[in-house]
Amino acid sequence: GAGVSQSPSNKVTEKGKDVELRCDPISGHTALYWYRQSLGQGLEFLIYFQGNSAPDKSGLPSDRFSAERTGGSVSTLTIQRTQQEDSAVYLCASRLAGGQYNEQFFGPGTRLTVL
Amino acid sequence: AQSVTQLDSQVPVFEEAPVELRCNYSSSVSVYLFWYVQYPNQGLQLLLKYLSGSTLVKGINGFEAEFNKSQTSFHLRKPSVHISDTAEYFCVVSETAAGNKLTFGGGTRVLVKP
Repeated sequence: GAGVSQSPSNKVTEKGKDVELRCDPISGHTALYWYRQSLGQGLEFLIYFQGNSAPDKSGLPSDRFSAERTGGSVSTLTIQRTQQEDSAVYLCASRLAGGQYNEQFFGPGTRLTVL
Repeated sequence: AQSVTQLDSQVPVFEEAPVELRCNYSSSVSVYLFWYVQYPNQGLQLLLKYLSGSTLVKGINGFEAEFNKSQTSFHLRKPSVHISDTAEYFCVVSETAAGNKLTFGGGTRVLVKP
C-alpha cells in the first residue's frame, strides 16, 4: 500500500513569498502531524490534527505558519511571507488513532529553501 | 513538557564492532520512548519502541534498547554493526496522553567504517 506522500519534494522560493506544502496521509489514518527538521533546531513538532477535533497548534513558530486538513485526509501547511530561517525539511506523519500507541509513519519530506 | 538529550552527536565505529548510543530524557509525566533511524536521503523509520512491560526492547536490524526509569535513560545498542547501519539515529519521547506528538533528541550520526 501507499505510504505518506508529500509534495513538492523540493521548493525554492524568494524571501517574502508564500508557500504551500502538501501531505497525503496513509488512507484511513485519522491522525496527522507536521514536523520541521532544520540545522539549527533539529526535529520539532509543528501541528497535529486528530479527526474532527480542533488541531493542536502549539508547535507553530509564528503566526506566519498555518495548516489545514480538508475532509480528514489531505493537509496543507502554508507559510506566509517566508524568511530565510524557514529553510528546513518539512515532514508529515500519519497514524491510526486509538489503542495504546500506533506508529507514526513519516513521509519523505519537502525541502524548503528560502533565498 | 519533556526534553530529550542525546549525549553524542557523532559516533564513528568500525564494522563488526559494538555500538551504544546514549539517550536521557526528562518528563514530569509518563512517556513512551522510541528510537527512529534516518538513512542517507531517506525518511524516518521506527527502529523500536518502549510502551510498557519489559525494559529491554528489541527492534529491527538487530538493535535493542533498555529503559531505565531511575536514570531516565533509553540507550540503544547493537553488538555488531554493518556498513549499512550508517545513518542518523533519533531518540524520541511522547507523552502517553497528549496526542502522541513526538519530541526528538538532537540525533546521533553513526558512521560505520570498514
